Amino acid sequence: NAGVTQTPKFQVLKTGQSMTLQCAQDMNHNSMYWYRQDPGMGLRLIYYSASEGTTDKGEVPNGYNVSRLNKREFSLRLESAAPSQTSVYFCASGYGTANTEAFFGQGTRLTVV
Amino acid sequence: AQSVAQPEDQVNVAEGNPLTVKCTYSVSGNPYLFWYVQYPNRGLQFLLKYITGDNLVKGSYGFEAEFNKSQTSFHLKKPSALVSDSALYFCAVRDANTGTASKLTFGTGTRLQVTL
Repeated sequence: NAGVTQTPKFQVLKTGQSMTLQCAQDMNHNSMYWYRQDPGMGLRLIYYSASEGTTDKGEVPNGYNVSRLNKREFSLRLESAAPSQTSVYFCASGYGTANTEAFFGQGTRLTVV
Repeated sequence: AQSVAQPEDQVNVAEGNPLTVKCTYSVSGNPYLFWYVQYPNRGLQFLLKYITGDNLVKGSYGFEAEFNKSQTSFHLKKPSALVSDSALYFCAVRDANTGTASKLTFGTGTRLQVTL
């Protein structure tokens, strides 16, 4: 059972570099999400996609872009990385109704130096 | 705006003793409430949820949570803690009136340490 798969697991970037975090789910979920986790701040929503073809900003979207490539895949792009984007990034997916839980990937630990 | 508060950064309990991890919430409408657990270097795993009905919800690994509308709380409990329960626990809330799976708001997390 793959569930939600994120790549890469670890990444070190220099300030100003760009990169794309990949996420794929095999549960036929409608909704997909990107969160970042920082010490003492819990998880904060960056962007989400309620269904294929739609994306919306979350709580902390600045500095990020997303693409819902198809129903399975939802990527997060950092165009010009900054040290403040050092974090652990989690992708999640769900069935798309308010009463259903989200399923999380194992995370990407990103360090920007 | 919806929010979740987990007032304790860490909870320490001896193995075999009962444990409680506290959570209070704020939403404008009715709440959907969730608990997740995170083991080191892993993603979040769903434990249980409250949607409607019985205020006592049972979940995975022997955990349960009690919904209290008047106190706007959803505390996580377990009658007998295990060392293997040591992890980071997150409470989350979604406003039932949103109709879609949009904003799931998380608390800051509580680290549970169970010792022998």
